[in-house]
Amino acid sequence: AQSVTQLDSQVPVFEEAPVELRCNYSSSVSVYLFWYVQYPNQGLQLLLKYLSGSTLVKGINGFEAEFNKSQTSFHLRKPSVHISDTAEYFCAVRTSSGYSTLTFGKGTMLLVSP
Amino acid sequence: DGGITQSPKYLFRKEGQNVTLSCEQNLNHDAMYWYRQDPGQGLRLIYYSQIVNDFQKGDIAEGYSVSREKKESFPLTVTSAQKNPTAFYLCASSPQDRSSTEAFFGQGTRLTVV
Repeated sequence: AQSVTQLDSQVPVFEEAPVELRCNYSSSVSVYLFWYVQYPNQGLQLLLKYLSGSTLVKGINGFEAEFNKSQTSFHLRKPSVHISDTAEYFCAVRTSSGYSTLTFGKGTMLLVSP
Repeated sequence: DGGITQSPKYLFRKEGQNVTLSCEQNLNHDAMYWYRQDPGQGLRLIYYSQIVNDFQKGDIAEGYSVSREKKESFPLTVTSAQKNPTAFYLCASSPQDRSSTEAFFGQGTRLTVV
């Protein structure tokens, strides 16, 4: 079974500052990794995903994430945030072979203030 | 436009009543999922279905039931046996082929027990 730990439940940051949202996972087999974003009272939208290859993955809205296999981490970063980035962010994992469902972390609320 | 439609967006239910949440997709996806979201809990899997007329329990299936009579539809019934049904419910779908890895989400239904 897989598990995901998002280390921060809330991250406050000022507009135009950089941000990192942390995600660690646990799995006995190789995995695919995902970051989703959720705006209030809406569904989840995929930001980016890591399947294989380059460990630095670029996504939508200027976000990027780096896969670190030795540290079992997949941290999300953005060099300069906007007010509109205020949302909840979920890290998720699934196995890379066979069939499996997505396992989600508990989410990190990014609060961007002026 | 292709996508996943959940209805209604808001739903109120009296204690002791069953209620059914609708989920329809026109993405031609084989797999469909129901997740429950509570503040600070992330997304927890209720039921999933990989193919028509077949479905499996997720991590928190007690008090819920589903059916999958058509590829496009995966309704969720919240029964009176569910002790704490107030939550945000998200439906998702994904293809079954190996070229696609992530799930696509609907906009959610917020259920409140009054």
